[in-house]
Amino acid sequence: AQRVTQPEKLLSVFKGAPVELKCNYSYSGSPELFWYVQYSRQRLQLLLRHISRESIKGFTADLNKGETSFHLKKPFAQEEDSAMYYCALSATGTGNQFYFGTGTSLTVIP
Amino acid sequence: NAGVTQTPKFRVLKTGQSMTLLCAQDMNHEYMYWYRQDPGMGLRLIHYSVGEGTTAKGEVPDGYNVSRLKKQNFLLGLESAAPSQTSVYFCASTTLSSGTLYNEQFFGPGTRLTVL
Repeated sequence: AQRVTQPEKLLSVFKGAPVELKCNYSYSGSPELFWYVQYSRQRLQLLLRHISRESIKGFTADLNKGETSFHLKKPFAQEEDSAMYYCALSATGTGNQFYFGTGTSLTVIP
Repeated sequence: NAGVTQTPKFRVLKTGQSMTLLCAQDMNHEYMYWYRQDPGMGLRLIHYSVGEGTTAKGEVPDGYNVSRLKKQNFLLGLESAAPSQTSVYFCASTTLSSGTLYNEQFFGPGTRLTVL
């Protein structure tokens, strides 16, 4: 079975402070992992994917297969980072299905 | 290029009524998906389609039906709406590009459905 866990429903940090949004997964194969973001009143959009090893808007995420984690990090949070963040796993097999975590609502306090 | 669009944006139904949500994409994507988003539950897959004329059940398919008669459209139907189906519904699409098995899902703006 595939499962994505985001243990924090709510996370608040002060502007300029580091932020880490946790994501753990369970998957029997080789996973493809993503972070999606949903800003207020907007649609979900891709933030970054592990295969690209990219940094988007200052965010990075490293896949740790030993700990089965894909935590999202940013060294200095900005007010515009306030949003809902979803970790997602793409599974092999039929349908190219994505499995989403329950989401973490990040609030950056000015 | 509109991407993924959904109609309607909002709808209020009475218990037992039926309705159809329309998702359209202009990116020639093979795969299309319907999710529901509920507080504390994240996004849960209702049904999906890997191509025109094919559909499959996701995690929470009960009470919903879908059809993919045209590649660009994916319809979600509620035959007899129930209050438990009050939710925000998102459609998404994706494709398999050369050299990469997994791809970004592109989402629609969502449909907010309330069932009284």
